[in-house]
Amino acid sequence: DTGVSQNPRHKITKRGQNVTFRCDPISEHNRLYWYRQTLGQGPEFLTYFQNEAQLEKSRLLSDRFSAERPKGSFSTLEIQRTEQGDSAMYLCASSLDRTNTGELFFGEGSRLTVL
Amino acid sequence: AQSVAQPEDQVNVAEGNPLTVKCTYSVSGNPYLFWYVQYPNRGLQFLLKYITGDNLVKGSYGFEAEFNKSQTSFHLKKPSALVSDSALYFCAVRDGGSGTYKYIFGTGTRLKVLA
Repeated sequence: DTGVSQNPRHKITKRGQNVTFRCDPISEHNRLYWYRQTLGQGPEFLTYFQNEAQLEKSRLLSDRFSAERPKGSFSTLEIQRTEQGDSAMYLCASSLDRTNTGELFFGEGSRLTVL
Repeated sequence: AQSVAQPEDQVNVAEGNPLTVKCTYSVSGNPYLFWYVQYPNRGLQFLLKYITGDNLVKGSYGFEAEFNKSQTSFHLKKPSALVSDSALYFCAVRDGGSGTYKYIFGTGTRLKVLA
């Protein structure tokens, strides 16, 4: 069990550029989540997948954000036309939820800085 | 809609003293409650959860939490604090009766254990 892996760990970009983050969940975990965390705040829900299906997406999520999990394994989160307000830590988590009561396992996060 | 409140931004406690970190929640169905800890520049680590059964649940590193349905609270406790417990603590809730698998996190409480 290698844990949840996120890449890149740090990304610095200029305003208006597109960025993509990748998350590799724990093997066989069927649910995958994306959260955003800013300094001094708790994780804010963005979206989650069950296998390859995106089941829920935050209403706060701009249409510049898109996430995919094409084969039900790894996931990507893309932010188009980045803005300074997008600067945050993007956290990925996964769970194996056969009993629907499981906890989330988090990765180390991908820190985005938009200049 | 589900929500979580952590009323204290910071809790200071002397090493060896008992500690309590407060959490209250709101859900329409059955509450599934979780505590996580976050160390600097790291992802969130699961501590413990309440799903059903005994109101007092025990978790990692000597932490425990008490579920109180009438007060809609799930406070984190430890009988004797260690300096190494100093970190950011997050309470989270999932609405077990709503059909969603979305976890909502509180804003966090910084615990500082003083030697």
